[in-house]
Amino acid sequence: DSGVTQTPKHLITATGQRVTLRCSPRSGDLSVYWYQQSLDQGLQFLIQYYNGEERAKGNILERFSAQQFPDLHSELNLSSLELGDSALYFCASSVAIGSNTGELFFGEGSRLTVL
Amino acid sequence: KNEVEQSPQNLTAQEGEFITINCSYSVGISALHWLQQHPGGGIVSLFMLSSGKKKHGRLIATINIQEKHSSLHITASHPRDSAVYICAVKKGGQFYFGTGTSLTVIP
Repeated sequence: DSGVTQTPKHLITATGQRVTLRCSPRSGDLSVYWYQQSLDQGLQFLIQYYNGEERAKGNILERFSAQQFPDLHSELNLSSLELGDSALYFCASSVAIGSNTGELFFGEGSRLTVL
Repeated sequence: KNEVEQSPQNLTAQEGEFITINCSYSVGISALHWLQQHPGGGIVSLFMLSSGKKKHGRLIATINIQEKHSSLHITASHPRDSAVYICAVKKGGQFYFGTGTSLTVIP
């Protein structure tokens, strides 16, 4: 058990819809990272939050947004869903002091299927 | 061009064999991570390296910053080591991932 909790584990929805994925980081970890893993593109970095503020942005689509709340949990919002958004979405957390990521602890992932 | 290249893509080994997975990258990095992903999908971080060598049990990871190359070694491989191993590098705030090496260890 990594200590990182992601919900829901599975989600099936239709094109055009909006979903919210939730991540609770390990106790004490200030950084949260979101990643997407699809069959055709592998793992991709989406976005990082550190102590409530956006720290780095990767290949995140404009239809996607994220935030980190004062209690350090994070949510990834995916809107106007397309078939190609079907993927595993992972959250990871770390202590992340300065530019040092520190070890990453991954949640079990949320599997999104868009029909 | 992918910033991170892994080899081999697929690897089958007999139980007990010594295994090496290679990772080459083209960008200057602040850290390199080796990740393990089992068939169920969960990801575990094995190592984070910025220089030198680290060892954990039967796993050894090395990095050569000048040559932009890292290796993951598994000694005395076991069927439970069967998984996908992914190399990831961090440059600034960005992560770049290799496509993974699928390892199968046969009893």
